[in-house]
Amino acid sequence: SQTIHQWPATLVQPVGSPLSLECTVEGTSNPNLYWYRQAAGRGLQLLFYSIGIDQISSEVPQNLSASRPQDRQFILSSKKLLLSDSGFYLCAWSDFSAGRYEQYFGPGTRLTVT
Amino acid sequence: AQSVTQLGSHVSVSEGALVLLRCNYSSSVPPYLFWYVQYPNQGLQLLLKYTTGATLVKGINGFEAEFKKSETSFHLTKPSAHMSDAAEYFCAVSVRKFYFGTGTSLTVIP
Repeated sequence: SQTIHQWPATLVQPVGSPLSLECTVEGTSNPNLYWYRQAAGRGLQLLFYSIGIDQISSEVPQNLSASRPQDRQFILSSKKLLLSDSGFYLCAWSDFSAGRYEQYFGPGTRLTVT
Repeated sequence: AQSVTQLGSHVSVSEGALVLLRCNYSSSVPPYLFWYVQYPNQGLQLLLKYTTGATLVKGINGFEAEFKKSETSFHLTKPSAHMSDAAEYFCAVSVRKFYFGTGTSLTVIP
């Protein structure tokens, strides 16, 4: 079966500090990968999606970036955090080639920028 | 353009009462449709999905939804609410890309 991991679970960072959030998927190959942000009491905002290694699309221009160094690893980064980067970050995967059109989500990372 | 509309950002029901969460979509092609549930500080969990076939789909925790093409709707129902159903619910549409509704917060009153 497939599982998706995210870490850390919670993070408190000062404004201007760097960020690195990691997501890994097990039990599937060449998944589509996604990063979402959920602000307090708000819906989901798609930040990045990737259909393969080094194939990443950005949905919203901002100070965040994403990388996919391995097939099942997706990293969200920032060089300098802003207060507005606070939120709940969710990683997800899907596998259209297997006829699975739904997305499966990780447990999330709660980021507080102070 | 595709979009998803969830009517009612907050819904309250009494324990044991019917749960009805509304979702309407707009799509130029037949979509795949999903409902997710999110408990506080957790990721989203797939409740049920419609891709093809029977328009009434059953999911986990006693929830079901019916795809009505003529009404472009995919409402989520549960005959009898339980306290553990209190959560945020998201409707989603997949048409090449994934589109989420803004969510409905369900409160269950004892």
